[in-house]
Amino acid sequence: EVQLVESGGGLVQPGGSLRLSCAASGFTFSSYWMSWVRQAPGKGLEWVANIYQDGTKKYYVDSVKGRFTFSRDNAKNSVYLQMNSLRAEDTAVYYCARGKFCGGGCYDGLDSWGQGTLVTVSS
Amino acid sequence: QLVLTQSPSASASLGASVKLTCTLSSGYSSYAIAWHQQQPEKGPRYLMKLDSDGSHSKGDGIPDRFSGSSSGAERYLTISSLQSEDEADYYCQTWGTGIVVFGGGTKLTVL
Repeated sequence: EVQLVESGGGLVQPGGSLRLSCAASGFTFSSYWMSWVRQAPGKGLEWVANIYQDGTKKYYVDSVKGRFTFSRDNAKNSVYLQMNSLRAEDTAVYYCARGKFCGGGCYDGLDSWGQGTLVTVSS
Repeated sequence: QLVLTQSPSASASLGASVKLTCTLSSGYSSYAIAWHQQQPEKGPRYLMKLDSDGSHSKGDGIPDRFSGSSSGAERYLTISSLQSEDEADYYCQTWGTGIVVFGGGTKLTVL
């Protein structure tokens, strides 16, 4: 069974930093793209970032470029989101999600989700 | 610009069928999408990937009541024999090189 378990959320002041983690199990982690998706209170889903199977390709939504860094450790079956210079508008539940398997390493959408971790940016 | 448009809300009666629509922006009618369901106070759940020709592959454990179809730039999610647990938000998702886009979501109410 695929499991994605996020951790690291919490309350942080504007301008502060936070590091989210996602531990994966139940599949061959190194064969899949991984993503972070967030959901502000009462709002819809917003894609944040993608990372390729070996971590060599990373993509970010414009609003987090230069502030957030997505990384992965295939030996630990984990991905991380380092969030710096946090703003009030970053307040959201952050979901870790798995890319759908695609031969040749293509990206083919998302097919598994974690339960999320809440990040609150407030003074 | 790659954009997905969904109606904010829909409603249908218990036991009936409903068809939700997701529309791709102009020039992107060949793109595949995925449908995700989010029940109240829960994380999203993957339902299916839907290609432009209407072929779809569902996630593990997704009931046969859920099906997908396509017409031009429109992608549909049909839920038949509606049950109370189908009351949820439904999001479509698409992707291109280096970008992922979600629709605004449709809140489905089961009457």
